[in-house]
Amino acid sequence: RKEVEQDPGPFNVPEGATVAFNCTYSNSASQSFFWYRQDCRKEPKLLMSVYSSGNEDGRFTAQLNRASQYISLLIRDSKLSDSATYLCVVNSISNFGNEKLTFGTGTRLTIIP
Amino acid sequence: EAQVTQNPRYLITVTGKKLTVTCSQNMNHEYMSWYRQDPGLGLRQIYYSMNVEVTDKGDVPEGYKVSRKEKRNFPLILESPSPNQTSLYFCASSFSGTANEKLFFGSGTQLSVL
Repeated sequence: RKEVEQDPGPFNVPEGATVAFNCTYSNSASQSFFWYRQDCRKEPKLLMSVYSSGNEDGRFTAQLNRASQYISLLIRDSKLSDSATYLCVVNSISNFGNEKLTFGTGTRLTIIP
Repeated sequence: EAQVTQNPRYLITVTGKKLTVTCSQNMNHEYMSWYRQDPGLGLRQIYYSMNVEVTDKGDVPEGYKVSRKEKRNFPLILESPSPNQTSLYFCASSFSGTANEKLFFGSGTQLSVL
């Protein structure tokens, strides 16, 4: 099982719609969770951290479900500018015993006019 | 402006010809890291550095070298590049490298090894 798994998509969603996608993680000891956004072939940028109680930032809502080991991202009233790949990022322990961040392969989202 | 600067943006080379990709940050960050991104595999960590003169292997260090002689610079060296090192490379930094910190990424280097 991969450490971090995401549905690669693509999700093609009409403008104004609500879209949600999940990310599952395998390490039950993980404590830090993030969503990064990556535009085509550009650098990833932090979208939001994910807190235990769930958190919201404008149209974006992130949730954490520790029992089922997944995090989710909800985008309301989607805009054309939301078209991007969304990377799920989770902390874990590397093969060498140190803490590291593990990136999912990303979910591709396209907002259609 | 706070940033991570990588150069070059694009690089085409031939097998066996040594190359260096530079990375510099102006935020006085202690932690710096190199990743490669390949289709279907996500970002994988190559090497990281917690501070000057302190470097450690990531998940895919084979075929790469790094150095951290100064806090701001963290070059990635490919002594003898091979075609399987064709990839999109990102340098990243954060204040101290703890897992709950935001990572700042450079704009990427697309490397093609022929």
